[in-house]
Amino acid sequence: GQSLEQPSEVTAVEGAIVQINCTYQTSGFYGLSWYQQHDGGAPTFLSYNALDGLEETGRFSSFLSRSDSYGYLLLQELQMKDSASYFCAVFNRDDKIIFGKGTRLHILP
Amino acid sequence: NAGVTQTPKFQVLKTGQSMTLQCAQDMNHNSMYWYRQDPGMGLRLIYYSASEGTTDKGEVPNGYNVSRLNKREFSLRLESAAPSQTSVYFCASSEGGIRTDTQYFGPGTRLTVL
Repeated sequence: GQSLEQPSEVTAVEGAIVQINCTYQTSGFYGLSWYQQHDGGAPTFLSYNALDGLEETGRFSSFLSRSDSYGYLLLQELQMKDSASYFCAVFNRDDKIIFGKGTRLHILP
Repeated sequence: NAGVTQTPKFQVLKTGQSMTLQCAQDMNHNSMYWYRQDPGMGLRLIYYSASEGTTDKGEVPNGYNVSRLNKREFSLRLESAAPSQTSVYFCASSEGGIRTDTQYFGPGTRLTVL
């Protein structure tokens, strides 16, 4: 079967750095994506990793280790507007996609 | 560009009623998707369409039917609604296939089945 694990909640301070982890189990792994969702809003795409390593997009970076079945999202210079839920999603070669249950990020001033 | 639009935004149904959720995208994307999101949960794929004229089941297809009317539109039908189908429904689209591309989401339809 397929499964994803990510922490349910994370708290950090404005201006700091926070890392949200995602571990997965799937056969035929193809790639891992991250999405942000504000309360009452729609998910919006943040990043996609198919190969090992770090992808950087502004204040957000995403890392993947295929050998460890593990990825993380790194948010730097946290702002209050970053308070949201963050979902990892895993794709496999059979065109299956599963989303994690989400990590709620709380930012303290 | 409006992106991905969904109608209606809110809907209340009684058990056994039927309805169709509409979705349209103006980005000329090939693939379209329907997800449901239950409180405190991630998204679960109901159906997707990799191209006009094709549809495939996702993780939770039971109780739903879909139609890819043309490249722009992808509708989701509940033939006989059940309380377990109370959820927020999101439509999404992507230029490429399910594995490789960014998905763009609509604003969602909040459905309550009494």
